[in-house]
Amino acid sequence: GAVVSQHPSWVICKSGTSVKIECRSLDFQATTMFWYRQFPKQSLMLMATSNEGSKATYEQGVEKDKFLINHASLTLSTLTVTSAHPEDSSFYICSAFLYNEQFFGPGTRLTVL
Amino acid sequence: EDKVVQSPLSLVVHEGDTVTLNCSYEVTNFRSLLWYKQEKKAPTFLFMLTSSGIEKKSGRLSSILDKKELFSILNITATQTGDSAVYLCAHSGGSNYKLTFGKGTLLTVNP
Repeated sequence: GAVVSQHPSWVICKSGTSVKIECRSLDFQATTMFWYRQFPKQSLMLMATSNEGSKATYEQGVEKDKFLINHASLTLSTLTVTSAHPEDSSFYICSAFLYNEQFFGPGTRLTVL
Repeated sequence: EDKVVQSPLSLVVHEGDTVTLNCSYEVTNFRSLLWYKQEKKAPTFLFMLTSSGIEKKSGRLSSILDKKELFSILNITATQTGDSAVYLCAHSGGSNYKLTFGKGTLLTVNP
């Protein structure tokens, strides 16, 4: 149980385009999901906390207009990177919160050319 | 702001060696300290520690928390090449249990 999926697992896009990443809890409902970003050889940094039915809470330094988060249902949160640039290339990981634990998705590797 | 500091940042050992990875923390509203193993993809959960002095064990891996001195260690005995990975320590805290990660320890086990 407690499986989290992400789609796509990798994506390459041109600079200036927008990319949507989906995070799904497959066998449980998650009122809270988290989005992390990991640059090469660095640790995971929390970007935002996504709450079902309400606005996401962004960490300091994360642009809410650039990283749009939507948590429209109890099993799906989406992260849209708008007007992506090469510096947005990173590994994006979501997690879903259940019973005081976070269960991680497999991650999405974004490369912006 | 919560801080989690891991040491060493990298470590190279030979198969069969025992390693100890360190994690110290300065946080408000402590809930739990977690250890993860990360290979190519997302982290996989190893341990959650909430109580001081109680060792958690899983096979060759074990971990313990010292809440007075604000640190935790992860031990791996009889290391194998498959143990090569980044080991992440994280604090779970606050009202929403958000995780603050350390920078990780890159462990390389050579045959």
